[in-house]
This record gives sequence, C-alpha cells and structure tokens, in this order.
Amino acid sequence: DSGVTQTPKHLITATGQRVTLRCSPRSGDLSVYWYQQSLDQGLQFLIQYYNGEERAKGNILERFSAQQFPDLHSELNLSSLELGDSALYFCASSVGAARRQETQYFGPGTRLLVL
Amino acid sequence: GIQVEQSPPDLILQEGANSTLRCNFSDSVNNLQWFHQNPWGQLINLFYIPSGTKQNGRLSATTVATERYSLLYISSSQTTDSGVYFCAVEHPNSGYALNFGKGTSLLVTP
Repeated sequence: DSGVTQTPKHLITATGQRVTLRCSPRSGDLSVYWYQQSLDQGLQFLIQYYNGEERAKGNILERFSAQQFPDLHSELNLSSLELGDSALYFCASSVGAARRQETQYFGPGTRLLVL
Repeated sequence: GIQVEQSPPDLILQEGANSTLRCNFSDSVNNLQWFHQNPWGQLINLFYIPSGTKQNGRLSATTVATERYSLLYISSSQTTDSGVYFCAVEHPNSGYALNFGKGTSLLVTP
C-alpha cells in the first residue's frame, strides 16, 4: 500500500458526460501528480500541483481540469467525455520540496470506461 | 522531449530463471524510477535510482547516468513477478513529470 488513495476504483459513463476523480496524497506529501494510462498512448503525465498551485502541465486536454484543495487532496475533472478517454487514471504524490530528488508514489488508479 | 526505450518488450521465463531488463534514455535525468505493474493494474515502486546500484531481495538495479541507461535484474524469478515493468525518468526541462517507457511485459511460468 503506497498510502495514496483514489476514488472511485471503477467508473462507467456515457459519451458527453462529466466525471470527477479524487485523490488523497500520502500524509505529509505536498505534491500531487495525475497520469493517464491508455492502450495506445501508454503512461502519460497530465498535470502536477504543489501545495494548492499548478506546477507543471503535460499532455492534458482542455476538456480536463484539476485542482488541489487546502487539505491537499486533488480532483481531476473530465468533461465532454469521448470514447478515447477510456483509460486508467493514476494519481501520485511526493514530498514536493523544491528541486529535491524524490520518489513519486502511485495510487491504485481509477479505471474509466466511456460507452 | 526525452525518449525512454525499454527492452525487451516481452519476456517469458520459467520459474527460477534470472533476467535483465534494460532502460535507455536520450538525455540526462534528475530522477529514475522502476515500477512493477501487477495484473490488477497497480503500479508498485521498485527502485528510485538516478545513479548507482541498489538491491532489494531478489531484485537489484543499476543506473549508469553518464551512459544513459539503467538495468533491472530479477533473480530466481517467481510467478508473482509476472506483470509489466516500467522505467520512468524525470528530465530537467520537464518539471517534475515522470516520462515512462513502454514497459517490458514479463510472464513467469511454473
């Protein structure tokens, strides 16, 4: 158990809908990362938050957004869903101190299926 | 962006055999991690190893940063070692994001 929790574990929805994925980082970690794993794109970085502020952005679609709340949990919002958004979405966390080499710990993932 | 290449893409071993998985990367990195994705999809940290050698039980890893590669050794493999092994690197110009290779899919048979 990495200490990172994600809910829900599975999500089935229809095209055009909006969903919210939730992540709680390990105790004491200030950084949260979101990654998407799909069959055709592999594991890709989406976005990172550090202590409530966006720090880095990767291949995140405009239909997707995220935020990190004062209690450090994070939510990833996916809207106008398309079939191709079906994937495993991971949240990871790390201590997040500036420019320190550190390990990212991954949660169990949320498996999203868009029908 | 940085390229991360893993080899071999697929590997089938008999229980008890040893194996070496390789990760090549195209530029200098701040961070390198090895993960095991089990059949249930969970990503498990194996090593944080931007340079040097580490060992953890039957697994060990070596990263030669100057030559831009890392190796993961699995000795006396067990069926529970089956799954996909990923190498991921953090490039100085990509913030803190991990860039993943495509993985090595390992099947250990009884």
